[in-house]
Amino acid sequence: AQSVAQPEDQVNVAEGNPLTVKCTYSVSGNPYLFWYVQYPNRGLQFLLKYITGDNLVKGSYGFEAEFNKSQTSFHLKKPSALVSDSALYFCAVRLTSGTYKYIFGTGTRLKVLA
Amino acid sequence: EAGVAQSPRYKIIEKRQSVAFWCNPISGHATLYWYQQILGQGPKLLIQFQNNGVVDDSQLPKDRFSAERLKGVDSTLKIQPAKLEDSAVYLCASSLDPTRFGATQYFGPGTRLTVL
Repeated sequence: AQSVAQPEDQVNVAEGNPLTVKCTYSVSGNPYLFWYVQYPNRGLQFLLKYITGDNLVKGSYGFEAEFNKSQTSFHLKKPSALVSDSALYFCAVRLTSGTYKYIFGTGTRLKVLA
Repeated sequence: EAGVAQSPRYKIIEKRQSVAFWCNPISGHATLYWYQQILGQGPKLLIQFQNNGVVDDSQLPKDRFSAERLKGVDSTLKIQPAKLEDSAVYLCASSLDPTRFGATQYFGPGTRLTVL
């Protein structure tokens, strides 16, 4: 079955420290990869995506993500975390055939401590 | 550019009642999605429309859930009758035709449904 895994339910990091939120996927073909963030009582906001090209993609609010094809991973990173980054982060893949549906991970709660 | 609009934002009903949610996608977006997000889980696709046709409804509980997208623009999702396990946030999203290179999905604020 095709799936997206976010192995950590929660990540805690001190403000100013680098952060990493992990994502791996098991999907046939070459899917497109996405990160979304969700704040309380809000919908999901698009952060960044990987389609093709450079394995390091940059997105909104200083976030970036590194694509690793051999490890089928797409980890989200930020060099210096802010308290305001505290939120729920979702990794998603979009199939590139058939229905072109999206498959989401279960989410990782990021808590940045002052 | 206006985002995806959804209403209502919150709804509380009793089990066995019916409820309907409305979504207006971003102008020009041919593809519309309805997701169910249960607390602590990622969004689960219920139904995907391309214009006014259904592309994928494999995870829609068709005995109680229905959705339509008349005229290929806004959409309604209905639950009748509701069960306790339907308590969730219902998210609507839209995108350009996903067969187009790199089309990104954008989400509305969601409707939080509580079934008592």
